Amino acid sequence: ILNVEQSPQSLHVQEGDSTNFTCSFPSSNFYALHWYRWETAKSPEALFVMTLNGDEKKKGRISATLNTKEGYSYLYIKGSQPEDSATYLCAFKSDSNYQLIWGAGTKLIIKP
Amino acid sequence: SQTIHQWPATLVQPVGSPLSLECTVEGTSNPNLYWYRQAAGRGLQLLFYSVGIGQISSEVPQNLSASRPQDRQFILSSKKLLLSDSGFYLCAWKRPDTDINEQFFGPGTRLTVL
Repeated sequence: ILNVEQSPQSLHVQEGDSTNFTCSFPSSNFYALHWYRWETAKSPEALFVMTLNGDEKKKGRISATLNTKEGYSYLYIKGSQPEDSATYLCAFKSDSNYQLIWGAGTKLIIKP
Repeated sequence: SQTIHQWPATLVQPVGSPLSLECTVEGTSNPNLYWYRQAAGRGLQLLFYSVGIGQISSEVPQNLSASRPQDRQFILSSKKLLLSDSGFYLCAWKRPDTDINEQFFGPGTRLTVL
């Protein structure tokens, strides 16, 4: 059974501080790793799709790294702002299955 | 531009009652369509997947079913709801041309079975 773990489950961060959290996934049969942001009362929105070991993607103050050999990805947020408050989901796709396997998410709360 | 609609937004149903949730996509053709459920504190669980009209793949054996009567319409149904069917249901679509395309999600339906 493929398992995707995200940690921590929730995180309170002071506005202006930087933070990061982890997505762990199977290290075999890797095809792609997705990061999504899910704000309250909205739909999940894609942040990054990562396919190569060592990939690093960046969108504004948010960036992500990928290590497929050891099976983890980090999401970093620099200088957290209140609008960053959301649940961040990662999803793993293997090369042997069409579906995405989703983590339970990290709920990020930015304190003003 | 593409948009995805889901309704209703919230639903409270008694155990044993039927269910019908509808999802429609605009602005694209032949999308891959998905029904997901998120139970409290858990990740998104894929329920059904469709690559075309009348083509449904079921991921989880249960009392739910799905149908795709038109290219951009995806319906989630049940004849008799269980308490365990409570959760947040999301419909999503994806362009079919590559495996790594992002999925676009609808606004979701919060289902409470009492």
